Amino acid sequence: KQEVTQIPAALSVPEGENLVLNCSFTDSAIYNLQWFRQDPGKGLTSLLLIQSSQREQTSGRLNASLDKSSGRSTLYIAASQPGDSATYLCAVESPHAGNMLTFGGGTRLMVKP
Amino acid sequence: DTAVSQTPKYLVTQMGNDKSIKCEQNLGHDTMYWYKQDSKKFLKIMFSYNNKELIINETVPNRFSPKSPDKAHLNLHINSLELGDSAVYFCASSQDRDSETTNEKLFFGSGTQLSVL
Repeated sequence: KQEVTQIPAALSVPEGENLVLNCSFTDSAIYNLQWFRQDPGKGLTSLLLIQSSQREQTSGRLNASLDKSSGRSTLYIAASQPGDSATYLCAVESPHAGNMLTFGGGTRLMVKP
Repeated sequence: DTAVSQTPKYLVTQMGNDKSIKCEQNLGHDTMYWYKQDSKKFLKIMFSYNNKELIINETVPNRFSPKSPDKAHLNLHINSLELGDSAVYFCASSQDRDSETTNEKLFFGSGTQLSVL
């Protein structure tokens, strides 16, 4: 059974800091891993998708890495801004989970001006 | 021009009632989903549906049933609502979820907050 864990559950940083969010999963047999952003009342937005054959993906100030063998992914946010405040979720798609996404519990990020 | 829209945004109802949440996507996607987010913010898949098959998470009570009148819609019907059904329900869609070609991004609706009193 695939389980996804995100640490920390909450994080507060001053504006301008670089930060790292962590995601770990128990079953390394995955198709891909996605990072999502959740804003209150606005649903989820897919930020980055890393296929199992890839090591990282970049989009603007965001960089996501994947180490499939160790069951870990990190989301790096450079030069954080107050607008980055949201909950960040990672999810893995696994053949052993019916090809469906298994989500972590999320990291609630607050960037203070 | 919302990609995935679901209504209503908020739903407050009494225990024992039957209710529906509607979902529509205008992305031309083949597969739609329903997710439940509990109070601890964990998102769990409930259903995955395309024109080929319905995949049901075995932990979902049979009081929950998806109805798809066409490819662009997947509505969620809930019978005999219980207190524990209170949660936020998210609809999502992706281009395809063929087992040979995964790696498709999911697009989510904004969620429906269901409160059962």
